[in-house]
Amino acid sequence: GAGVSQSPSNKVTEKGKDVELRCDPISGHTALYWYRQSLGQGLEFLIYFQGNSAPDKSGLPSDRFSAERTGGSVSTLTIQRTQQEDSAVYLCASSGSNTGELFFGEGSRLTVL
Amino acid sequence: EDQVTQSPEALRLQEGESSSLNCSYTVSGLRGLFWYRQDPGKGPEFLFTLYSAGEEKEKERLKATLTKKESFLHITAPKPEDSATYLCAVRKGDKIIFGKGTRLHILP
Repeated sequence: GAGVSQSPSNKVTEKGKDVELRCDPISGHTALYWYRQSLGQGLEFLIYFQGNSAPDKSGLPSDRFSAERTGGSVSTLTIQRTQQEDSAVYLCASSGSNTGELFFGEGSRLTVL
Repeated sequence: EDQVTQSPEALRLQEGESSSLNCSYTVSGLRGLFWYRQDPGKGPEFLFTLYSAGEEKEKERLKATLTKKESFLHITAPKPEDSATYLCAVRKGDKIIFGKGTRLHILP
């Protein structure tokens, strides 16, 4: 596709359920980032992939959060046993150069009831 | 601790009223400073990259400058369509750290 695609765009779930958020980066982009944006807050770094490897997982808030990337392309962010404080917009970005310029998707808005 | 601080948090300007947004950072080993624009309900959109003190970049009514401790985003004669949240970010290693942004509102 022409840009970074994220799905679902909106997800409402009940506390305690697991959710999966998907990111399809720009074709050929080797770097992929996940961020979380809560209302009125900046972008909180979660995890970074170079190819299929995640050299920096330092931003994952707890062991309920995990992410994987397969084939150097699609990435999935999984949140287990969701809590209300997990409610936020989850943004994915990819980069094809070493400049650090990121191309963002439109985000997945997660609401935990 | 690596930090990126943006000010002001919000700014309201009349159309045509020029101003500047500030981004101060405390990051060792800086590998680039970035400005992004974010419209409501959208992901951030890349504007500029700056690498070294004294560097400047321009795009339409926007100009970004960089010193050793901070960056400014100057907006000249803004129009209502410039209303958005402007985000500053710095690169340390492979991690890109964002500030909380400045919400800019241009009144017609």
